[in-house]
Amino acid sequence: LAKTTQPISMDSYEGQEVNITCSHNNIATNDYITWYQQFPSQGPRFIIQGYKTKVTNEVASLFIPADRKSSTLSLPRVSLSDTAVYYCLVAYEGAGSYQLTFGKGTKLSVIP
Amino acid sequence: EPEVTQTPSHQVTQMGQEVILRCVPISNHLYFYWYRQILGQKVEFLVSFYNNEISEKSEIFDDQFSVERPDGSNFTLKIRSTKLEDSAMYFCASSESRGGALGNQPQHFGDGTRLSIL
Repeated sequence: LAKTTQPISMDSYEGQEVNITCSHNNIATNDYITWYQQFPSQGPRFIIQGYKTKVTNEVASLFIPADRKSSTLSLPRVSLSDTAVYYCLVAYEGAGSYQLTFGKGTKLSVIP
Repeated sequence: EPEVTQTPSHQVTQMGQEVILRCVPISNHLYFYWYRQILGQKVEFLVSFYNNEISEKSEIFDDQFSVERPDGSNFTLKIRSTKLEDSAMYFCASSESRGGALGNQPQHFGDGTRLSIL
């Protein structure tokens, strides 16, 4: 049974590094793992995407172990403006089709 | 930076009525998607569309739903006979090539249409 799991919420102080892990067993073999940020009343905003090992861009890093059963979004030195819901997006293969599946989201609250 | 735009921002419809939600994807993008988000819940995939046909669809996307790219710029989602449980935010997204499953192009989302069924 395809299931994507994230912590419901996390709190962090400004300036700290935040790591959010998404568990996703049996995702499609050739699929990329993507993370999005969502503010209230807005659509999801792309943060980072990867296939395996580590990917880094100007805002985040993404760590994906060799078995690809999980992925960890790392936000360095968070600020108040990083308060948002963070979602992983993966695809599951089944019955000749691929189902794009968002995690339930992790609500990050950054505290001054 | 190019954006995905959705209209209207809020749509109020009587139960049983047809509703059409409109989206203008980013101009050079080839793959288009609809998602919905019920208040307080996660974003759920509805359908992906490429080359004027549906590529993938979820169990949510039943016979009451249809999608169309009526011209070179718009992408629409039609709900034929709305139900109370269709009340949600509906997000359109687009990507340059196949995004998500088997693709390495991120999807760009609009800010959604809030659909309220009375």
